[in-house]
Order: sequence, then structure tokens, then C-alpha cells
Amino acid sequence: QQQVKQSPQSLIVQKGGISIINCAYENTAFDYFPWYQQFPGKGPALLIAIRPDVSEKKEGRFTISFNKSAKQFSLHIMDSQPGDSATYFCAATTQGGSEKLVFGKGTKLTVNP
Amino acid sequence: DTAVSQTPKYLVTQMGNDKSIKCEQNLGHDTMYWYKQDSKKFLKIMFSYNNKELIINETVPNRFSPKSPDKAHLNLHINSLELGDSAVYFCASSPYRDSSYNSPLHFGNGTRLTVT
Repeated sequence: QQQVKQSPQSLIVQKGGISIINCAYENTAFDYFPWYQQFPGKGPALLIAIRPDVSEKKEGRFTISFNKSAKQFSLHIMDSQPGDSATYFCAATTQGGSEKLVFGKGTKLTVNP
Repeated sequence: DTAVSQTPKYLVTQMGNDKSIKCEQNLGHDTMYWYKQDSKKFLKIMFSYNNKELIINETVPNRFSPKSPDKAHLNLHINSLELGDSAVYFCASSPYRDSSYNSPLHFGNGTRLTVT
């Protein structure tokens, strides 16, 4: 049973455009929502994360928007650059226990010059 | 000064063989993990160890056996390799027992296993 649904599977954006990746979760006990960025041949690396007590978290060009009632969260990449081309994974878990971090299926982002 | 390092980076072997993947972290973290990434890029946890104690053991065939000699090392031994074992295996670590806001996962660069 997939607990975090991520869309779209792939995304092509022009340089300077906005990239938006969406995730939805089912478990209302989830309270930690990170996004990971993975370049080819590398491991995933933490990009940005949010807790459900805030509706938005911004770090540079990357913003997480969080909607607790809808059980959805999204990653927005402003002024997308070719160097942002990578696979992005959303994830979720419940902190403080032995719950595992559950990943979405990933979104391959291509930013054209 | 690689934080989480795995060896080897590539592993090509025949069905039925036994192989091991090694992982070391120099971050001083308490917990280490093995993840499997399939051809569709789906990341799935296999095991996690906290200070050498097994805390997560997903539904993984008995042919897979993790071993943690100390909290800085977590190795993965695979017996009787099958074609379906072909994937990229990632080692990861986190400062504390769980993956959380104060204890994010740090991944290695993976071991691409190809079984022929």
C-alpha cells in the first residue's frame, strides 16, 4: 500500500519557469515531510523539509506548501535552472518512534535552457 | 571526507553467487539504513540499525542479511543472488533513532548491483 502519492512522474520546464511537484498522504499521524533531490549516479540528498505546524517553508528558490486538511504538500521551484534537473522525492513519517520514512515514487524534472 | 561511503560502486555477478556491500559513515550518527532503489527509481527501506541493534526489518528475503560490527558500519550480505536482486542499494545514516526534522537521512552514493 503506497502511503505517499507523488505526481507528476516527469516534468519538463523552461529555464526561468516554476516547477511544481505534488504529494498526497493518507496517514494523519505523519508529522515530518522532507523533500529529497537525486542527481544521476548519486544518492538522494535532503533539499528542504516541513513540519505540519506551518503552512509554508521557503529556502532560496525552493518552497514547500503544506495543506494539512487536504493531506497534501507540494514543492515549488522558482526560476528553475538547468542545474535543477534531477529526480525529486517527497517523503513522510511520524517522528519519535520507529516509523520508517516512506517515499513517493519520484518526479524526474528536466529544465531546458 | 565522504560522509556515507559505500563499496563497491558497481557489482556485476552471476545468479547463485554470494556478495557483500560495505557501508561506513563518519558523521557520528547512531542509526544506519539500507534502501533498495529499483529500475523505476522507487526507494524502499530494507533494514535499519541503531547502535548495532536491528530496529526495522522490512519484508526482505532471508537471503539478505545485514551486519553491523559497530555503529559506524553496516554491511549487507546477499546469498544466492537472483535476477530480481538487480537494483541500486543505498546506505544511509541519521543522527538519532528515527528519521525526523532533527535527524534527517544522509545517503551514500549507492551500489549498482547487476545479476546476470
